[in-house]
Amino acid sequence: QLQLQESGPGLVKPSETLSLTCTVSGGSITTSSYFWGWIRQPPGKGLEWIGSIYYSGSTSYNPSLKGRVTISVDTSKNQFSLKLSSVTAADTAVFYCARQSTRDFFDFWGQGTLVPVSS
Amino acid sequence: QSALTQPASVSGSPGQSITISCTGTSSDLGSYNVVSWYQQHPGKAPKLIIYEGTKRPSGVSNRFSGSKSGNTASLTIYGLLAEDEADYYCCSYAGNRNFVFGGGTKLTVL
Repeated sequence: QLQLQESGPGLVKPSETLSLTCTVSGGSITTSSYFWGWIRQPPGKGLEWIGSIYYSGSTSYNPSLKGRVTISVDTSKNQFSLKLSSVTAADTAVFYCARQSTRDFFDFWGQGTLVPVSS
Repeated sequence: QSALTQPASVSGSPGQSITISCTGTSSDLGSYNVVSWYQQHPGKAPKLIIYEGTKRPSGVSNRFSGSKSGNTASLTIYGLLAEDEADYYCCSYAGNRNFVFGGGTKLTVL
């Protein structure tokens, strides 16, 4: 069974860069029918798509976050990563990684990790 | 891109049916037949329950049904159970390899 697990620092200071990694197990990140995405959810609020990456390195980002987001992939480790720069308290959220079908839905999700932004 | 519009809350009694709407624009939901729906229980990750507007993943109850007309998609849950109480989110492809979620709907089973 495919599993995704987010990992990263539990706290980030304002103006710094948030970095998270998603480790995929039970399947290969190089599967041709899938992208790999990041979605976030501020406490008590809704879901927001951050961006996605294909194993080749091709990326797409939410226009509202463009300029601050970088998603990368490491196929040798079966991992993909998120960097969000110049964070503020408004970026405090649970961050989920998910598998995104080329048919445009997210079918497997990590458990999520809460990243507070606070000094 | 703006979030898709969902009602903040809906409620129903056990055994009843409810429908949650999801309204977008001609740039997202209206242009693509790839709406997906997710169920999220408190403290848990979202779970895919409908994809491509009307299809259910393996293991998802046939009490969940999706439809779409124009710029609006709908999720209907038949025969409400207590376990259906959760937040529900719609999601649409929005072109240029972008996605947009709805604001979410809290379902209360009375």
